[in-house]
Amino acid sequence: GESVGLHLPTLSVQEGDNSIINCAYSNSASDYFIWYKQESGKGPQFIIDIRSNMDKRQGQRVTVLLNKTVKHLSLQIAATQPGDSAVYFCAEIFGNEKLTFGTGTRLTIIP
Amino acid sequence: DAGVIQSPRHEVTEMGQEVTLRCKPISGHDYLFWYRQTMMRGLELLIYFNNNVPIDDSGMPEDRFSAKMPNASFSTLKIQPSEPRDSAVYFCASSLQVVYGYTFGSGTRLTVV
Repeated sequence: GESVGLHLPTLSVQEGDNSIINCAYSNSASDYFIWYKQESGKGPQFIIDIRSNMDKRQGQRVTVLLNKTVKHLSLQIAATQPGDSAVYFCAEIFGNEKLTFGTGTRLTIIP
Repeated sequence: DAGVIQSPRHEVTEMGQEVTLRCKPISGHDYLFWYRQTMMRGLELLIYFNNNVPIDDSGMPEDRFSAKMPNASFSTLKIQPSEPRDSAVYFCASSLQVVYGYTFGSGTRLTVV
């Protein structure tokens, strides 16, 4: 079936800098996207979502951008903190089907 | 709300033994999902329920795996007999709708030796 993939498996960022995590999706009909954060020993935690009729959505220190033309999703984290170190997953959904998760990107914040 | 509660947190068992993982979803959530996470395959959906009824079990690896949801507040995932390749972290998640962000439990780390 369709799959969600990530450009970079690992990313290291200096504390205080901004980070960008990218995701490519293959199903152009997907209409809902979610970013999850998974810390070591914990389950994935919802960060932010965006619907296909939007191209940008902002939360607290996080922004998700959606480019449907190239089927690309990104998560921007501003002023990174040590607590942002985790694995980040993008996930997509089409219609009423279940979420499909990408493979994840490990973000490491360097003090 | 205590969130999605899974038990046990860790389980070590011998090959061939039966393993039962448990999940209590968030009260009021109509959807419950069982996922398996490994380094090789990432997060895989095994099965999900809507109002206690299994909707899609296409991700269940084989007949050794079974899942039940006898009521709205409890679900089990059973592996019988267990094999070393079943070693993984198993997550339960619940949601108000399937088209919505899921809330995950803390997972059960299963090791089959």
